[in-house]
Amino acid sequence: EPEVTQTPSHQVTQMGQEVILRCVPISNHLYFYWYRQILGQKVEFLVSFYNNEISEKSEIFDDQFSVERPDGSNFTLKIRSTKLEDSAMYFCASSQEGGWSNQPQHFGDGTRLSIL
Amino acid sequence: QKEVEQNSGPLSVPEGAIASLNCTYSDRGSQSFFWYRQYSGKSPELIMFIYSNGDKEDGRFTAQLNKASQYVSLLIRDSQPSDSATYLCAVTDPNTGNQFYFGTGTSLTVIP
Repeated sequence: EPEVTQTPSHQVTQMGQEVILRCVPISNHLYFYWYRQILGQKVEFLVSFYNNEISEKSEIFDDQFSVERPDGSNFTLKIRSTKLEDSAMYFCASSQEGGWSNQPQHFGDGTRLSIL
Repeated sequence: QKEVEQNSGPLSVPEGAIASLNCTYSDRGSQSFFWYRQYSGKSPELIMFIYSNGDKEDGRFTAQLNKASQYVSLLIRDSQPSDSATYLCAVTDPNTGNQFYFGTGTSLTVIP
């Protein structure tokens, strides 16, 4: 069964550094998402991406964050000048359609980001 | 603020019993509802979704939706120890349908 893949599985970074989290969505999916889950807390939406542009973003997704689809398969989340509170599990998800299509989002295994 | 509320548990049921998980949501405009299972340290795994009032069955799982009461539930029949996990309720944003709002999850333990 096709799946969303994320790399790396664990990233340790010094505070203030930049990190790039990578995702390969399911191949025939058109909508891509990033979520984060701080340890012990709920999964929180960051951003959705369609047709090479951001379609929606949350209040969490400020100027520190950016997303990109650099080629036909990868979808990346860049976090600039990382802070301690950025430590979390970051999940990439994709869906075949978005909006009111009632399509489920399929999640990758996540990248655990630890900021020191 | 769109809220999705779940009883955090833990909910313990004996093997073979029915586990009942509940979720309420605040925004009447939400249209699609999803149940995910999350094992500790792992990603959310889709169990099933529902968007029409009533029941939807898939194997041992039944989702129930009552939009008037803003309530969605998940029943797990013949619970197995492998069902022990945290169950997340997710609700679509009523304005765009793109983003999911998640509850904090209910921790389920099935006792052999």
